[in-house]
Amino acid sequence: AQSVTQPDIHITVSEGASLELRCNYSYGATPYLFWYVQSPGQGLQLLLKYFSGDTLVQGIKGFEAEFKRSQSSFNLRKPSEHWSDAAEYFCAVGVSGNNDMRFGAGTRLTVKP
Amino acid sequence: NAGVTQTPKFQVLKTGQSMTLQCAQDMNHEYMSWYRQDPGMGLRLIHYSVGAGITDQGEVPNGYNVSRSTTEDFPLRLLSAAPSQTSVYFCASSYSTGGLNSPLHFGNGTRLTVT
Repeated sequence: AQSVTQPDIHITVSEGASLELRCNYSYGATPYLFWYVQSPGQGLQLLLKYFSGDTLVQGIKGFEAEFKRSQSSFNLRKPSEHWSDAAEYFCAVGVSGNNDMRFGAGTRLTVKP
Repeated sequence: NAGVTQTPKFQVLKTGQSMTLQCAQDMNHEYMSWYRQDPGMGLRLIHYSVGAGITDQGEVPNGYNVSRSTTEDFPLRLLSAAPSQTSVYFCASSYSTGGLNSPLHFGNGTRLTVT
């Protein structure tokens, strides 16, 4: 089965600084890749997804992610952090024909003023 | 626009008790699923359904039952609660294909504690 690893449990950045959250996946072919965000006490919301085409995908709230097949990675980036981005971020991987989407353990983001 | 509604928000059970977590969606989504969220483990799929009358097991189905008698509702039953089932439970729905081609819409979760 496909799997996904988020190496960073907790990241702290200063407001205005850039951000990169790491995600590595394990699957033989090209999977569907997603980033979801969870605000405290809420469910998850989709930020962006990739399946094919341009390897740099744009999402909501100014986030982008780049698919790198050679590194089996799908890292999330944002050029300038805002305090409202503090949340937990989940990378997920899905496979065509399989309804079992796998989520990473999540990275909690703290934004310092 | 209700989206995905989960009830209750909080629940405390004693070991061995049974209960049903409710999930309803008003978006006419065919796909519905239940996840549990535990610290350091992300979300793990318990059961899912691709339409009324059709259910299947996910990654961690043991100790849970589901049914899908209508498109709107997808309840999760704990037949005999165990402390290992203490978790936050999320219901999610999608127009089709398990969240691949259309996004998963999540409820706000049910925090369950089993003592």
